[in-house]
Amino acid sequence: GAVVSQHPSWVICKSGTSVKIECRSLDFQATTMFWYRQFPKQSLMLMATSNEGSKATYEQGVEKDKFLINHASLTLSTLTVTSAHPEDSSFYICSARETTGMGAKNIQYFGAGTRLSVL
Amino acid sequence: KQEVTQIPAALSVPEGENLVLNCSFTDSAIYNLQWFRQDPGKGLTSLLLIQSSQREQTSGRLNASLDKSSGRSTLYIAASQPGDSATYLCAVPSSGGSYIPTFGRGTSLIVHP
Repeated sequence: GAVVSQHPSWVICKSGTSVKIECRSLDFQATTMFWYRQFPKQSLMLMATSNEGSKATYEQGVEKDKFLINHASLTLSTLTVTSAHPEDSSFYICSARETTGMGAKNIQYFGAGTRLSVL
Repeated sequence: KQEVTQIPAALSVPEGENLVLNCSFTDSAIYNLQWFRQDPGKGLTSLLLIQSSQREQTSGRLNASLDKSSGRSTLYIAASQPGDSATYLCAVPSSGGSYIPTFGRGTSLIVHP
């Protein structure tokens, strides 16, 4: 099946620094990628929808200046947590929706997640 | 807005039992329904995908059913094993246009030897 690679899997950073997380679709093209956040024992909450070549669409309550998303190619989206603080510590998961031909297959493939710990 | 509920929230059973995990959703206009497994600290592994036109899907010891009209799906795990211990999530994309899935909070399963 389709593979989504997410890197890094775990990152520890100091408060005030920025952290970049990459999400790559390895064997398919993805016009649309999604970024989720998951707190312990909670479900996945959609943060934003990343569209190749255009601005991301953020969910209500998600600060777009805090969580910068770039989707510069059909196989790569990045999430940058700017000026990270301890409350940003969480598990971040990306997914990619396969795009084929004239339409999109509405199946999402998920990355393995990135655990961010801000000290 | 789609709301997804999973029952039970947690389950602890001895090895060998047959299990039923439940997922209910409020908006029956769905495109498909997907069951995932998540191990602690890990990402999601897709288990089964049921299209809205289907009633069930099977993979090994797993069987998922879908009843759109009543807004329910069931994941059946036969002859449970300790390796099945994980959190099971169901995700439901509404067919309203965006197809972005809404996730339930999951069922945390422990199968002890």
